[in-house]
Amino acid sequence: AQKITQTQPGMFVQEKEAVTLDCTYDTSDPSYGLFWYKQPSSGEMIFLIYQGSYDQQNATEGRYSLNFQKARKSANLVISASQLGDSAMYFCAMREGYILNNAGNMLTFGGGTRLMVKP
Amino acid sequence: NAGVMQNPRHLVRRRGQEARLRCSPMKGHSHVYWYRQLPEEGLKFMVYLQKENIIDESGMPKERFSAEFPKEGPSILRIQQVVRGDSAAYFCASSPRRWGNTEAFFGQGTRLTVV
Repeated sequence: AQKITQTQPGMFVQEKEAVTLDCTYDTSDPSYGLFWYKQPSSGEMIFLIYQGSYDQQNATEGRYSLNFQKARKSANLVISASQLGDSAMYFCAMREGYILNNAGNMLTFGGGTRLMVKP
Repeated sequence: NAGVMQNPRHLVRRRGQEARLRCSPMKGHSHVYWYRQLPEEGLKFMVYLQKENIIDESGMPKERFSAEFPKEGPSILRIQQVVRGDSAAYFCASSPRRWGNTEAFFGQGTRLTVV
């Protein structure tokens, strides 16, 4: 089974509107972290936001917020007031396991969603 | 405060040659992670190193690939006798300790093209 699933290969959004990018995950570990990255056409990986499995509140960073629904195992990224510069690939990733054991060494990435912002 | 530095940004090698990719972690970081991204895919973990030690190489191909992180100098990912299937973007990330909650910063990647 896929550990991280992003079901939207591509999405369009109108400039200034909000958009939600879906991410579901699969783990039996009670301790995990969820990350979102942006990869523009230039190729670098830009860290956007992090949510820990024990965090009580949804993470927010500026225009980015994470809609964390633990029971449904989903961690959707919400981008408010889309800008043209938001056009990029977006990747959801998960780190399993407490950091003291080897399971916490790696991030597992989804296949990504390509977001295109229309002017 | 410089971020994670990778070089070269682009590397072209003929089949059978060796590729050496370098990663200088952020200042004060002693943990390095290498990932590979094939075209149109997400990143896949290859190896995790601390200074002078390989901690987890479960994602590294058994043949032709090796990694090191010496006491002095950058971490090196080495691919011997490259083949077309090695063409990918290789990313390095660093952290000051074992992967924490938010120390998840990547370098700009090295794009390897095998011709």
